[in-house]
Amino acid sequence: AQKITQTQPGMFVQEKEAVTLDCTYDTSDPSYGLFWYKQPSSGEMIFLIYQGSYDQQNATEGRYSLNFQKARKSANLVISASQLGDSAMYFCAMIVLTGGGNKLTFGTGTQLKVEL
Amino acid sequence: DAGITQSPRHKVTETGTPVTLRCHQTENHRYMYWYRQDPGHGLRLIHYSYGVKDTDKGEVSDGYSVSRSKTEDFLLTLESATSSQTSVYFCAIRDGGNEQFFGPGTRLTVL
Repeated sequence: AQKITQTQPGMFVQEKEAVTLDCTYDTSDPSYGLFWYKQPSSGEMIFLIYQGSYDQQNATEGRYSLNFQKARKSANLVISASQLGDSAMYFCAMIVLTGGGNKLTFGTGTQLKVEL
Repeated sequence: DAGITQSPRHKVTETGTPVTLRCHQTENHRYMYWYRQDPGHGLRLIHYSYGVKDTDKGEVSDGYSVSRSKTEDFLLTLESATSSQTSVYFCAIRDGGNEQFFGPGTRLTVL
């Protein structure tokens, strides 16, 4: 079975600073993908970034980068130059690609607050 | 914008009544999903569909059924709603790759 662990229920960061949100995962399958989603207070789930287990380079999307350390089974999200609009709940998720890649497993989330 | 809408967006119902939630997509995606979100659990997969009339169970499927008679619509039915099914329900689609994109969610309260 797959498991995602996010150990930081809440975090604070000052505007314009970088912040790292932790995510560790557990799977015995060699083919998988890792996601990060953002959920603002309005409730929608916004896709941020994706990393496949065989991707050689860490994924980046604008100010978001995924620090993928396969040996440690970690997939931390780094947000550079934080903005007030980054305040939200952030979810790490994993999908096992063997057998169709349809069962997305989520962590419990990290609430990020960006302060002036 | 993945072209996903959910209806209703909010619903209050009573224990024992049937409830159907609708997910509609405009971009002909093959894969569609229903999740529920509860405090302390993140999102959990209820059911998913990999084509018209093709569905499979997720990790929390008890008490729920689904149907997909058209590519664009994926229905989630609670045959007899219980208070434990009070939750926020998200529909998602999978695009040509592995990414899943979510609809706006439906907040369901079962009294």
